Amino acid sequence: GENVEQHPSTLSVQEGDSAVIKCTYSDSASNYFPWYKQELGKRPQLIIDIRSNVGEKKDQRIAVTLNKTAKHFSLHITETQPEDSAVYFCAAGNSGYALNFGKGTSLLVTP
Amino acid sequence: DVKVTQSSRYLVKRTGEKVFLECVQDMDHENMFWYRQDPGLGLRLIYFSYDVKMKEKGDIPEGYSVSREKKERFSLILESASTNQTSMYLCAIRTRFTDTQYFGPGTRLTVL
Repeated sequence: GENVEQHPSTLSVQEGDSAVIKCTYSDSASNYFPWYKQELGKRPQLIIDIRSNVGEKKDQRIAVTLNKTAKHFSLHITETQPEDSAVYFCAAGNSGYALNFGKGTSLLVTP
Repeated sequence: DVKVTQSSRYLVKRTGEKVFLECVQDMDHENMFWYRQDPGLGLRLIYFSYDVKMKEKGDIPEGYSVSREKKERFSLILESASTNQTSMYLCAIRTRFTDTQYFGPGTRLTVL
């Protein structure tokens, strides 16, 4: 089955800096790669996703890149703000089927 | 707006008890999922269902079963609760025609 590895497990950045979280996957059939943000005490919420026919996608300060050959994808947050502090999960799966999640990255943005 | 609700936010049960966790959606979505979330282990898939009366095992089904008698309701059952099942349980649905999963608020289960 699919195995998703996520790094780092914790990340601390200063406000205004960029943050990068990286994930690798094992199943070359995976074609859907979402990222979820989970604030303390709340449910995970989708922040951005990318499909295998696209190499990069951007939404304001958030971008995701995908390298199908190397089987890795990354989340980039620019101009970080304290409200970006949360746990971020990557996931990979085949469209129409269940997702496999990484173990999460705890991001702390300090003022 | 997609709405996913879970029957309890917090639940305390004793070892050996039969526990029911319920997830309800307000739309006609076929796909529903149960995950458990533990610190450092992320979200692990327990069971999922593609339609009424259908169920598939996820990565960690041992000690759990599920029931889906109606499309809007997906129940997770702990036949005989054990302390290692103390966890946060999250239900999710996948919307029709997309792959986006929406999560419920979660149930924090403590087994004493």
